[in-house]
Amino acid sequence: GDSVTQMEGPVTLSEEAFLTINCTYTATGYPSLFWYVQYPGEGLQLLLKATKADDKGSNKGFEATYRKETTSFHLEKGSVQVSDSAVYFCALRRPGNAGGTSYGKLTFGQGTILTVHP
Amino acid sequence: DTGVSQDPRHKITKRGQNVTFRCDPISEHNRLYWYRQTLGQGPEFLTYFQNEAQLEKSRLLSDRFSAERPKGSFSTLEIQRTEQGDSAMYLCASSLAGTGSQETQYFGPGTRLLVL
Repeated sequence: GDSVTQMEGPVTLSEEAFLTINCTYTATGYPSLFWYVQYPGEGLQLLLKATKADDKGSNKGFEATYRKETTSFHLEKGSVQVSDSAVYFCALRRPGNAGGTSYGKLTFGQGTILTVHP
Repeated sequence: DTGVSQDPRHKITKRGQNVTFRCDPISEHNRLYWYRQTLGQGPEFLTYFQNEAQLEKSRLLSDRFSAERPKGSFSTLEIQRTEQGDSAMYLCASSLAGTGSQETQYFGPGTRLLVL
């Protein structure tokens, strides 16, 4: 079945450091890939997404490139801020089938806790 | 834009009691999803609706769990005879079908359930 594996955390960085959170996936076909972020006390928010191979998703200084050959979607940011402290989830959505019964379900990784110190 | 709302935000119950959670999706969204998230894990899919039809249920959804979306708008998730293992965050998400690969799920704040 589908699965998503994220690098184990927690990750602790100083402000302005470079961030990479690794994400690899296993899925049939060509899934869409997502990064969601969960700030303390808040719900999951979509950070960025990519829907086909070699697409790059970007938002708020974060980037991730859909690499089909390595089945990866690593999250990067060049200079993190204290406000980026949160839990980051990588997720995939398998392409829909004709009956539409499997389209839409997200499969998540276990999450990576990021703490950024001033 | 009011976003996805869930009620209650927190629920403490005793083992064996029944609980019901409500989710109100973004108004024009026709798909609604329920997920469960335990501590230190990512959300796991439970079930989803397109309009009022329940199209898929996970094997995680035992017969003690039932979900409805009677008019294709809000949804309820009921857990009967709760067990301590049901303690988790229950998340609701909604999306607009028909946007193909661009479909995006928007999540509510969740209902945290603690079964004593």
